[in-house]
Amino acid sequence: GNSVTQMEGPVTLSEEAFLTINCTYTATGYPSLFWYVQYPGEGLQLLLKATKADDKGSNKGFEATYRKETTSFHLEKGSVQVSDSAVYFCALSLGGGDYKLSFGAGTTVTVRA
Amino acid sequence: DTGVSQNPRHKITKRGQNVTFRCDPISEHNRLYWYRQTLGQGPEFLTYFQNEAQLEKSRLLSDRFSAERPKGSFSTLEIQRTEQGDSAMYLCASTLATGSSIFGDTEAFFGQGTRLTVV
Repeated sequence: GNSVTQMEGPVTLSEEAFLTINCTYTATGYPSLFWYVQYPGEGLQLLLKATKADDKGSNKGFEATYRKETTSFHLEKGSVQVSDSAVYFCALSLGGGDYKLSFGAGTTVTVRA
Repeated sequence: DTGVSQNPRHKITKRGQNVTFRCDPISEHNRLYWYRQTLGQGPEFLTYFQNEAQLEKSRLLSDRFSAERPKGSFSTLEIQRTEQGDSAMYLCASTLATGSSIFGDTEAFFGQGTRLTVV
């Protein structure tokens, strides 16, 4: 079946540190890949996405590259801020008429000042 | 448009009672999804509608669960004879189907969810 495995948390960092959250997937076909973020007290928001191999999604200083050969979509940010404290979810959808999302378990990130 | 709205935000109910949640999607979105999220896990797909038609149901959706989307606008999710295992956050999301199998739907917008506690 289709599944997403992401790095377990929680992750605690100091401001301006480098953040990476690993995500690997199992899927039939060629899925689209997403990172969603949930800030405290808010709903899930799309952070970035990539729809085909070697695509790089980027937003708010975050980046992730769709690596088909390693079935990975790791999230990175070079210098985190306190405002990046949130829960991050990696997800996929198969497309081709099937657009429901399959999520990883989420990684809680806390950035200290 | 204020985004996807879910009501109530919190619901505490006794085991065996019925509960109903409502989701109001973004008005022009024709696809509506329900997900369930338990503590420490990512959301899991329950069901989705295109306009008023319910097109797919997960095996997670037992016979006690029913969802409707009359007139293709808001949706309701009802749980009958609630059990403690139903305690979770119930999320609603909406998208606009583009009709393209390559580009897929527009971004999924999520509501803030309804947190159900069954005591």
